[in-house]
Amino acid sequence: NAGVTQTPKFQVLKTGQSMTLQCAQDMNHNSMYWYRQDPGMGLRLIYYSASEGTTDKGEVPNGYNVSRLNKREFSLRLESAAPSQTSVYFCASSGRGGGEKLFFGSGTQLSVL
Amino acid sequence: AQSVTQLGSHVSVSEGALVLLRCNYSSSVPPYLFWYVQYPNQGLQLLLKYTTGATLVKGINGFEAEFKKSETSFHLTKPSAHMSDAAEYFCAVSDRNTGAGSYQLTFGKGTKLSVIP
Repeated sequence: NAGVTQTPKFQVLKTGQSMTLQCAQDMNHNSMYWYRQDPGMGLRLIYYSASEGTTDKGEVPNGYNVSRLNKREFSLRLESAAPSQTSVYFCASSGRGGGEKLFFGSGTQLSVL
Repeated sequence: AQSVTQLGSHVSVSEGALVLLRCNYSSSVPPYLFWYVQYPNQGLQLLLKYTTGATLVKGINGFEAEFKKSETSFHLTKPSAHMSDAAEYFCAVSDRNTGAGSYQLTFGKGTKLSVIP
């Protein structure tokens, strides 16, 4: 049971470089999410996709773009990385919103130098 | 917008002692309420949730939480701590409506639980 798979697990970027974080789920979930986790800040929602073909901004969307490629895949792109984007990124999925359990990937540790 | 307050960023208990992790939310309409646990270098996993019905909710690993509307609280408890309970715990809320708010899970800042042998 793979669940939610994120790649890569670790990444180091230089300021201004771009990269895409990949996420795939095999649970036939409609909704997918990208969160960032910073020490003492909890998790903050970057973007979410309530269903295939839709994406919406969360609490901290600036500097990020997302693509819901199909029902399984939801990618997060940093076009021009900044040190403030150093964080641990988590992808998650759920059947839908409204009280549903989120299933999380194991995270991507990103450092921007 | 929803907000969640977890009292205490670090809590230490002795093995076998009561675990009490506090969570308060700010919303005029009671939201959906969740507790998630994160073990080192892992993603989060759901401990328990309250959506409707009985206000005392039982979860995995012997944890339970009680929704108290009058206190806007959803505190997490476990009668007897085990070494394996050492982790970070997050309270979270989401709106009850069917709009965008229902997808936006708002997390507290987390409470790191240490269990002393």
